[in-house]
Amino acid sequence: AQSVSQHNHHVILSEAASLELGCNYSYGGTVNLFWYVQYPGQHLQLLLKYFSGDPLVKGIKGFEAEFIKSKFSFNLRKPSVQWSDTAEYFCAVSSYSGGGADGLTFGKGTHLIIQP
Amino acid sequence: DADVTQTPRNRITKTGKRIMLECSQTKGHDRMYWYRQDPGLGLRLIYYSFDVKDINKGEISDGYSVSRQAQAKFSLSLESAIPNQTALYFCATSVERQNGELFFGEGSRLTVL
Repeated sequence: AQSVSQHNHHVILSEAASLELGCNYSYGGTVNLFWYVQYPGQHLQLLLKYFSGDPLVKGIKGFEAEFIKSKFSFNLRKPSVQWSDTAEYFCAVSSYSGGGADGLTFGKGTHLIIQP
Repeated sequence: DADVTQTPRNRITKTGKRIMLECSQTKGHDRMYWYRQDPGLGLRLIYYSFDVKDINKGEISDGYSVSRQAQAKFSLSLESAIPNQTALYFCATSVERQNGELFFGEGSRLTVL
C-alpha cells in the first residue's frame, strides 16, 4: 500500500519568511502528486499538481513544488509567506489499479500558522 | 453554487442513531469518494464508487455503508453511530481514467454524543 509522509505537523513562521514543507511517498511506480490546502473552516482546494514533465511545478498564490524522483519527494515551497497562508496543507499521491486512478492517499497534514 | 454539494453541513446526533450524509455533484464525473478527516490523521478513504454499479471499500469502511443512487449522487450511512465516528466527512469526485485529481465538497461535520 502507498503511504505519504509529511515531516512537519505544525509550523509557525513570521510573515515574509520562506516556507518549505516536506513530503515523501512510498510508491515506486508512476505517480501523480498533489498539494491541497484547507483554509480554516473550508474544504480542500488544489494548490498544485505534478503529472509529468518539468519537475518544478507552480501553483496558485505563489506556491511551487519540486518532484525529485530519486528521493521520492515532492516538497512545497513559497519564498515569502503571508498571514493569509495560515491553513492546513496536505500532500497526496494517486493510487492506481488497472482501470485508472482509485483516488488519493493523503499525508497527515501540516498545520501552518503565519504570525503577523 | 458548489459543484459538489454535501448535506447536512453540520449534524449532532446520539450514539446508536442512524445517520445519512448525502452528496450530489454537477461536474458530470464518474467517480465519487467519501473521506473522513480527523485532526492529526489527515484524510482517510471510507468508500469509493466508479459508477452506479461499482462500489469499493476504502481504508476504513467498517461501521459505514454507501449507496450510489445515480451518477450524481453518493450517500454515506452510519447504521448505528458511535462517538469515535465524530469527524469531518468529505465527498469528492474525479474523472475516470485520469490523473486522480479530486474535487471536494465543503464537508459535513458530524458529532456523535
